[in-house]
Amino acid sequence: AQSVTQPDARVTVSEGASLQLRCKYSSSVTPYLFWYVQYPRQGLQLLLKYYSGDPVVQGVNGFEAEFSKSNSSFHLRKASVHWSDSAVYFCAVRNYAQGLTFGLGTRVSVFP
Amino acid sequence: ETAVFQTPNYHVTQVGNEVSFNCKQTLGHDTMYWYKQDSKKLLKIMFSYNNKQLIVNETVPRRFSPQSSDKAHLNLRIKSVEPEDSAVYLCASSWGQDTQYFGPGTRLLVL
Repeated sequence: AQSVTQPDARVTVSEGASLQLRCKYSSSVTPYLFWYVQYPRQGLQLLLKYYSGDPVVQGVNGFEAEFSKSNSSFHLRKASVHWSDSAVYFCAVRNYAQGLTFGLGTRVSVFP
Repeated sequence: ETAVFQTPNYHVTQVGNEVSFNCKQTLGHDTMYWYKQDSKKLLKIMFSYNNKQLIVNETVPRRFSPQSSDKAHLNLRIKSVEPEDSAVYLCASSWGQDTQYFGPGTRLLVL
């Protein structure tokens, strides 16, 4: 069975600083990977996805992620965060015919 | 721009009652899903459904059932709610196995 681990439950950063959120996956086949963001009392919004090809994928709002097959990872990065990036970020792997399997999420707090 | 719509936003009910939540997507997708998000933000798939196949997560209690009138709608019915059903229920849709798009969620509180 596929699984996703997000080791950091909470991350606190200063506005303008860089951000990296870690994601490790377990899959017997080449996975389809996603990062979603959830703002308070809202649904999930897609940031970016990886299916194949270039391991560095660009997403919305300056986010990017890097896929590593050797490390079974799909870490999310942003060079300079804004206060509006405060949210919960979820890494997910597509579990064929069973929807998405999500990590537990990382809550990001951006302080001025 | 929202393309997956859920109603109601919020529902309070008592143990043993029946509830039904609505989900509609205007993306022309052929597959829809229901997820449960608990108080710790843990997200779990409950159902996935297209016009050919309903797939049920084996951990979902039998009191939960999806109901579809057409491929743009997938409602969720809970026959007799329990306190542990208090959660946010998120509907999503996709074209086949492609990217899933989520609605804003329905928050259920069972007293």
